[in-house]
Amino acid sequence: AQKVTQAQTEISVVEKEDVTLDCVYETRDTTYYLFWYKQPPSGELVFLIRRNSFDEQNEISGRYSWNFQKSTSSFNFTITASQVVDSAVYFCALSEAVDAGNMLTFGGGTRLMVKP
Amino acid sequence: EAQVTQNPRYLITVTGKKLTVTCSQNMNHEYMSWYRQDPGLGLRQIYYSMNVEVTDKGDVPEGYKVSRKEKRNFPLILESPSPNQTSLYFCASSFQEGTEQFFGPGTRLTVL
Repeated sequence: AQKVTQAQTEISVVEKEDVTLDCVYETRDTTYYLFWYKQPPSGELVFLIRRNSFDEQNEISGRYSWNFQKSTSSFNFTITASQVVDSAVYFCALSEAVDAGNMLTFGGGTRLMVKP
Repeated sequence: EAQVTQNPRYLITVTGKKLTVTCSQNMNHEYMSWYRQDPGLGLRQIYYSMNVEVTDKGDVPEGYKVSRKEKRNFPLILESPSPNQTSLYFCASSFQEGTEQFFGPGTRLTVL
């Protein structure tokens, strides 16, 4: 069965530091999709990025970047020059092509606290 | 504005009193799902729907019902709520499998 592990339950940084959130996944499917979501203190889930298993190209969006490595089954997320507004819980998630329900399997989340 | 809406946002009820949480999306998405979020257990899928009149169980369907009579709506029904259904519930929709899911704002349910 698929599994997503976010080993870091909480990270605390000072504003302007760079921070990397780790995500390791397990799946037997050759076609799968990886996601990152942000859950700010207000509670909603905000979509950040989607990657399919055939696209290992890293991506940068402003201060955010993602490193997808199939060889290590990892999909890590880096925030450069962190800001207080980045404080949130971040979830990594996986869905498999074989799953008819498009079910997302979430990791346990990493709570990021950015202090001024 | 493209969005998923849920109502109510907060609900306190008592054991056994039937309730419905509504979910609506305006993006013409095929897929809709319900998830619950619990401390220490993360987010888990309850039910999903691939299209009108097509629904199926997710990981934790016990105690819940759903229906999909219209493409935009996917209500979650608790026929006889129990305290272990106290949770934060999210509705989500997506265009097709493998695409990003857009989540509603969440419904915090407390069953006394």
